Amino acid sequence: TQLLEQSPQFLSIQEGENLTVYCNSSSVFSSLQWYRQEPGEGPVLLVTVVTGGEVKKLKRLTFQFGDARKDSSLHITAAQPGDTGLYLCAGDSGQFYFGTGTSLTVIP
Amino acid sequence: DTAVSQTPKYLVTQMGNDKSIKCEQNLGHDTMYWYKQDSKKFLKIMFSYNNKELIINETVPNRFSPKSPDKAHLNLHINSLELGDSAVYFCASSRTRRTEAFFGQGTRLTVV
Repeated sequence: TQLLEQSPQFLSIQEGENLTVYCNSSSVFSSLQWYRQEPGEGPVLLVTVVTGGEVKKLKRLTFQFGDARKDSSLHITAAQPGDTGLYLCAGDSGQFYFGTGTSLTVIP
Repeated sequence: DTAVSQTPKYLVTQMGNDKSIKCEQNLGHDTMYWYKQDSKKFLKIMFSYNNKELIINETVPNRFSPKSPDKAHLNLHINSLELGDSAVYFCASSRTRRTEAFFGQGTRLTVV
């Protein structure tokens, strides 16, 4: 099992603020995925990053894969209450293994 | 039309009982999984099947036995349930082991 540590574990912010979530590992991954899970639902894929240094944008969300493909970050600009949820990274080392998760609450 | 559906959504049972959770996917995917999400929201893979064949069996007690009657179904049977088995169990499927996983809504299992 590959260990992916996410930080922070919990984050509570006001609507309109910016935030960054980190996903770190000592292992190299072929690719890395980010999922969002809402209460009572299963995780849903947001993005897959494949190349070291790659940056992908999804509206107000910016995802970056580290140059060494061991870490990733998710930056949210002007957070909205609809962004509330559990954010999970998952690294591919022949099989996807999930990170420890970041629970985000955006307060209106 | 739900892509990955699992039943039941909630399951409350006593210690020592045997229970099953069913999962079906209509996406035509070759790979299916069972995950366990604990109270800290950590999502841990339990089993992975590819075309009805077991590919991954992480460190899971023998009391847990997956069964895949065909490519679209992967059921999970649990014998002699223990308090520590209480968790949310997710079924998922993907085209291959290295592509996007589609998850069911989860089964919240509570052992009392």
